[in-house]
Amino acid sequence: ILNVEQSPQSLHVQEGDSTNFTCSFPSSNFYALHWYRWETAKSPEALFVMTLNGDEKKKGRISATLNTKEGYSYLYIKGSQPEDSATYLCASRNSGNTPLVFGKGTRLSVIA
Amino acid sequence: NAGVTQTPKFRVLKTGQSMTLLCAQDMNHEYMYWYRQDPGMGLRLIHYSVGEGTTAKGEVPDGYNVSRLKKQNFLLGLESAAPSQTSVYFCASKTHGQVLQPQHFGDGTRLSIL
Repeated sequence: ILNVEQSPQSLHVQEGDSTNFTCSFPSSNFYALHWYRWETAKSPEALFVMTLNGDEKKKGRISATLNTKEGYSYLYIKGSQPEDSATYLCASRNSGNTPLVFGKGTRLSVIA
Repeated sequence: NAGVTQTPKFRVLKTGQSMTLLCAQDMNHEYMYWYRQDPGMGLRLIHYSVGEGTTAKGEVPDGYNVSRLKKQNFLLGLESAAPSQTSVYFCASKTHGQVLQPQHFGDGTRLSIL
């Protein structure tokens, strides 16, 4: 079972600050990397799915990059807002038929 | 457009009781998954299915059984519930063959075993 690590485990930022966190995964046999946003008492919501080295995706103030050669992805949030408070999950798979393996998430709290 | 629907939303059981959690999806997805979420552990895969009539074990399958008799439904069974199975259970589904498609999650079932 491949190992997906996320850091930091939790993060507190002030409203308006920009922030980023990391997802690390095995670079061998990489297939795809997913990011999800998970608010308390709700279901995880897909943010990005990336497959190619150097991929960069953006949705509003949130963006993500992917480095498959060194096995990491960064998620960036520009100008954090209280509504960005959530747990951000990343997950990786090493083939089209194998299940995603999730990291433990980074819990972000944005203080107004 | 219902997406992924889990029933029940919450349940309290006594140790040794059995129950079945139902996951239904209306997106014609081939792949379906059952996860459990525990504090500090993230999402851990219990069982999954790549198509009607097929199931496979995930990371933490012990104490659970599953069935996928119909493409749209994926059932998770606890034959003899134990307090260690107190958790929030999430079902997810995904289409096959489109690498950029994400998994779609249900709203979760909160299960407490006394």
